[in-house]
Amino acid sequence: EVQLVESGGGLDQPGGSLRLSCAASGFTFSNYWMHWVRQAPGKGLVWVARIKGDGTSTNYADSVKGRFTISRDNAKNSLYLQMNSLTAEDTAVYFCARDGLYNSGMDVWGQGTTVTVSS
Amino acid sequence: QSVLTQPPSASGTPGQRVTISCSGSSSNIGSNHVYWYQQLPGTAPKLLIYRSNQRPSGVPDRFSGSKSGTSASLAISGLRSEDEADYYCTAWDNSLSGVVFGGGTKVTVL
Repeated sequence: EVQLVESGGGLDQPGGSLRLSCAASGFTFSNYWMHWVRQAPGKGLVWVARIKGDGTSTNYADSVKGRFTISRDNAKNSLYLQMNSLTAEDTAVYFCARDGLYNSGMDVWGQGTTVTVSS
Repeated sequence: QSVLTQPPSASGTPGQRVTISCSGSSSNIGSNHVYWYQQLPGTAPKLLIYRSNQRPSGVPDRFSGSKSGTSASLAISGLRSEDEADYYCTAWDNSLSGVVFGGGTKVTVL
């Protein structure tokens, strides 16, 4: 079964750091671009970052550029999001998503992990 | 303020047809594919339409997508109670070098 499972969310103070993980299974992880998408409480979906299958290319939303780093370990079938200099505006559910082959969209999503930034 | 503009809400009675618009620009919808996602309350988003008008396997043909110029739309025909959800359009933006989402449209079945 194709599956993505996020972990690493929690409560942190403003200025703190968190590292999210996304464990992939059921498909050849290294063949796919992967994304992080977040959703603040009661708000819409916002794209955060993406990374190429071999890890050689990344893109970030302006709101997280310079603070967040997306990475992956294909040997461990895992995707990561290192989040530094957290602010209250980073409070959200964070989803990892697979970008399907041949422009077929974000076709597999995890269940999400919750990040709360508060003093 | 989302880069892609969607109406915040739409509604219809069972069996009706509902259409959701998504307006963008030449740097996103005008030059790239559009994708639509459905998010039921408390769940992860689900891919509904890819490459502007293609349905993944398992998505009912009641859902259809189209694109013209810098706008796109999602149509739900034969509206059913289980279609009550939030719907989001997305596209790659060449100027931002990133994915942009619409603000989402909440569909209510009356």
